[in-house]
Amino acid sequence: DAGVIQSPRHEVTEMGQEVTLRCKPISGHDYLFWYRQTMMRGLELLIYFNNNVPIDDSGMPEDRFSAKMPNASFSTLKIQPSEPRDSAVYFCASSPLGSYNEQFFGPGTRLTVL
Amino acid sequence: EDKVVQSPLSLVVHEGDTVTLNCSYEVTNFRSLLWYKQEKKAPTFLFMLTSSGIEKKSGRLSSILDKKELFSILNITATQTGDSAIYLCAVEALAPLVFGKGTRLSVIA
Repeated sequence: DAGVIQSPRHEVTEMGQEVTLRCKPISGHDYLFWYRQTMMRGLELLIYFNNNVPIDDSGMPEDRFSAKMPNASFSTLKIQPSEPRDSAVYFCASSPLGSYNEQFFGPGTRLTVL
Repeated sequence: EDKVVQSPLSLVVHEGDTVTLNCSYEVTNFRSLLWYKQEKKAPTFLFMLTSSGIEKKSGRLSSILDKKELFSILNITATQTGDSAIYLCAVEALAPLVFGKGTRLSVIA
């Protein structure tokens, strides 16, 4: 298995632009998580899905952030409009039913908003 | 608000030393505590602990949980340069994982 796949790996954009991050979870995993990691705040859970349904989005910082999971093999995290304080590494992780805490992380997308 | 605090924030040791990393937590409805290792990229799972006093072991790494005092430790014996990483502690409570900020371990030859 290729593991969790994220794209792009690096994104540099200007303030005000729309950013879309993509994730393909491990096949057969029922849970998908989006995290953000910064030096100041560490690793924070933004939102997670179970069987493509959003369960908890209380970690999404503002209405500028949205996430979708149209099918079991694909999810997006969108920021519109982006701001410099959104600069961080965004991780996607997935886990199987019954052990949703043993999460497998993707390589992350490093986002820089200028 | 659920809180996970790790100490020390960073640590530099020599190869062969033994290190102890600490994780304390304040959460409602504790379910489990997990340790992850993060090298250059993504965190990778090490241990999950749910019961007090039962040591989990994997090679030179071991971990134990104290649910009464609300903490866990991660021990690494005979450290190697390949152990250099950020070690993350996370707790599952009512919500999925709440992570601490990590301990950055540097092992020098």
